[in-house]
Amino acid sequence: AQSVSQHNHHVILSEAASLELGCNYSYGGTVNLFWYVQYPGQHLQLLLKYFSGDPLVKGIKGFEAEFIKSKFSFNLRKPSVQWSDTAEYFCAVNVPSYNTDKLIFGTGTRLQVFP
Amino acid sequence: NAGVTQTPKFRVLKTGQSMTLLCAQDMNHEYMYWYRQDPGMGLRLIHYSVGEGTTAKGEVPDGYNVSRLKKQNFLLGLESAAPSQTSVYFCASTSAAPNYGYTFGSGTRLTVV
Repeated sequence: AQSVSQHNHHVILSEAASLELGCNYSYGGTVNLFWYVQYPGQHLQLLLKYFSGDPLVKGIKGFEAEFIKSKFSFNLRKPSVQWSDTAEYFCAVNVPSYNTDKLIFGTGTRLQVFP
Repeated sequence: NAGVTQTPKFRVLKTGQSMTLLCAQDMNHEYMYWYRQDPGMGLRLIHYSVGEGTTAKGEVPDGYNVSRLKKQNFLLGLESAAPSQTSVYFCASTSAAPNYGYTFGSGTRLTVV
C-alpha cells in the first residue's frame, strides 16, 4: 500500500542545534511533496512544497527540504533551531497519477526545542 | 480574511448522541476534506469532496456522513457517537488539485463519553 513514513516520532534539541526530519514515501513516478507544521494548539500550516525543478526547496522560517528521487525521500532541514520551532511536523504526498484528489500524510514528528 | 472556519471548536457528546460539524470556506475552493487527528496516528482522511454536490470516502469513513450542498460548506455528521470517535477534527480546502496545498481550519476537539 502507498504510504508516507516519518521515522522520527519525537525529536528533542537544544536551541541552535541543526535539525533534520526524515520523510520517505512509497510511490513511484511523479509526486508532489509537502511539509506542514502544527504549533501547539493551532491548525496545520504549509511550510514548503515541491512540485518540480530544483530539488532543494526553501520554505518559511528558514526551513528547507531536499527531494531525493532515488531515495524516495523529502527530508526537512533547518541549520539552527529556535525555541519557537517547537511543534509537530507532517510530511504529505500527492501522487497525480494515482490519488489526484488528496494528500496522504505521515504520522508526524514532534519536535521539542529547549532554550 | 476568514479562510476556513470550523464550528464548534469544542464539544462533549454522550455515547449514542448525534452532531454535525460545520466547515465553511470563503475562498471559492472546489476541494474540501475532513480529517481526524489522533496521537501517534497523524491525520487520517474521513471523507472529502471535489465539488458541490459530490462526496467520497476516505481512509476511515465508518460512523461518519458528509454533505456538500453548497460549495462553501462541508458538513460532517456523526449519527451515533462512540468513544472511538473522540478526536480532533480538521477541515481543509484547496482551490484545484491538492498539489496546491491545503488551507486548514483551526479544528474541533470532540470528546465522546
